Amino acid sequence: GNSVTQMEGPVTLSEEAFLTINCTYTATGYPSLFWYVQYPGEGLQLLLKATKADDKGSNKGFEATYRKETTSFHLEKGSVQVSDSAVYFCALSDQPGGYQKVTFGTGTKLQVIP
Amino acid sequence: SAVISQKPSRDICQRGTSLTIQCQVDSQVTMMFWYRQQPGQSLTLIATANQGSEATYESGFVIDKFPISRPNLTFSTLTVSNMSPEDSSIYLCSVHLDSSSYEQYFGPGTRLTVT
Repeated sequence: GNSVTQMEGPVTLSEEAFLTINCTYTATGYPSLFWYVQYPGEGLQLLLKATKADDKGSNKGFEATYRKETTSFHLEKGSVQVSDSAVYFCALSDQPGGYQKVTFGTGTKLQVIP
Repeated sequence: SAVISQKPSRDICQRGTSLTIQCQVDSQVTMMFWYRQQPGQSLTLIATANQGSEATYESGFVIDKFPISRPNLTFSTLTVSNMSPEDSSIYLCSVHLDSSSYEQYFGPGTRLTVT
């Protein structure tokens, strides 16, 4: 079956530091890949997505590239801010249009300190 | 986009009792989903709820334990029945607006503690 593995947290960084959160996946088909973010006290929000190999998703300064050869979708940001403190979930869907059966990683908590 | 609310936001319940969680969406949606997030673990899909039909449960989840109602296109409930401490989790509902969109919208979750 499908699975998503992401680095364990918590990750603590100083403001303006470079962020990488690793994510690798196992899937039988050609999944779409996502990063969701959960700010304290709020629901999950889609941060970015990529639907095919070599696609780069980007939003709010975050980027992730769909690497089929390494089955990875690492999240990066060049300069984090305190407001980026949240839990980040890597996820995949193997249905066209991302419909149903989204498989999530365990989440990585990011804490950015001033 | 969609705005989703859940009630209650948190509860502490005694074992053997039941709790019903409500999910309200600000627009009409065909498919709603219920997830469980146990401490330190990823989100696990419990069931998919379509309006006007029986919910579809994932492996390991049964209707007797997690009955779901979907009376209209903006509302659903999940009941956690005969609770035990192992049911302590965050329960989240989500919606998918249409088949052309990859995005799911999530509610803020209900944090359940069973003592």
